[in-house]
Amino acid sequence: QQQVKQSPQSLIVQKGGISIINCAYENTAFDYFPWYQQFPGKGPALLIAIRPDVSEKKEGRFTISFNKSAKQFSLHIMDSQPGDSATYFCAASIAGTASKLTFGTGTRLQVTL
Amino acid sequence: GAVVSQHPSWVICKSGTSVKIECRSLDFQATTMFWYRQFPKQSLMLMATSNEGSKATYEQGVEKDKFLINHASLTLSTLTVTSAHPEDSSFYICSAPAFTTNEKLFFGSGTQLSVL
Repeated sequence: QQQVKQSPQSLIVQKGGISIINCAYENTAFDYFPWYQQFPGKGPALLIAIRPDVSEKKEGRFTISFNKSAKQFSLHIMDSQPGDSATYFCAASIAGTASKLTFGTGTRLQVTL
Repeated sequence: GAVVSQHPSWVICKSGTSVKIECRSLDFQATTMFWYRQFPKQSLMLMATSNEGSKATYEQGVEKDKFLINHASLTLSTLTVTSAHPEDSSFYICSAPAFTTNEKLFFGSGTQLSVL
């Protein structure tokens, strides 16, 4: 059972545009939602994370929006750059097993010139 | 952030041989480390949780005799793929939670295993 659903599978955005990736979860016990960025042949790197007690978190060009009632959260990349081209994974975990992340299926982002 | 070093970054081996992958936390201690497997263009699947000084915990469907995990110290965990076969070819990634908060997982750079 896929507990974290991620969409779209792939995304092409022009330089300067906004990239939006969405995730939905089923388990209401999840209380930590990080986003990871992965370049080919490399391990994932933590980008930004949010807890359910806030509806939005912003760090630089990256923003997480969280909708607890809808059990959805999304990543917005403002002013997308070619260097942002990578695969993005959302994830979720439960208190007490915080490091045991359940990952989404990933979104391959390509930012064109 | 914390650094997790994984070695080797890629390995090619013959079918039937064993391959050892090392995962080190460089600037922090990790009593727990996680091993993931990732197929091309797919998500990360947790294989097992490595516990320092005790047996690893394997996820359902992962053969513990096939994927041997040893967590001998607070900074080193190893994954040995025993009697490797072509279907074991995959990208293996380790991770460790930063000691300041168990939630922030730091990942190694991964090991691409190709079994001929």
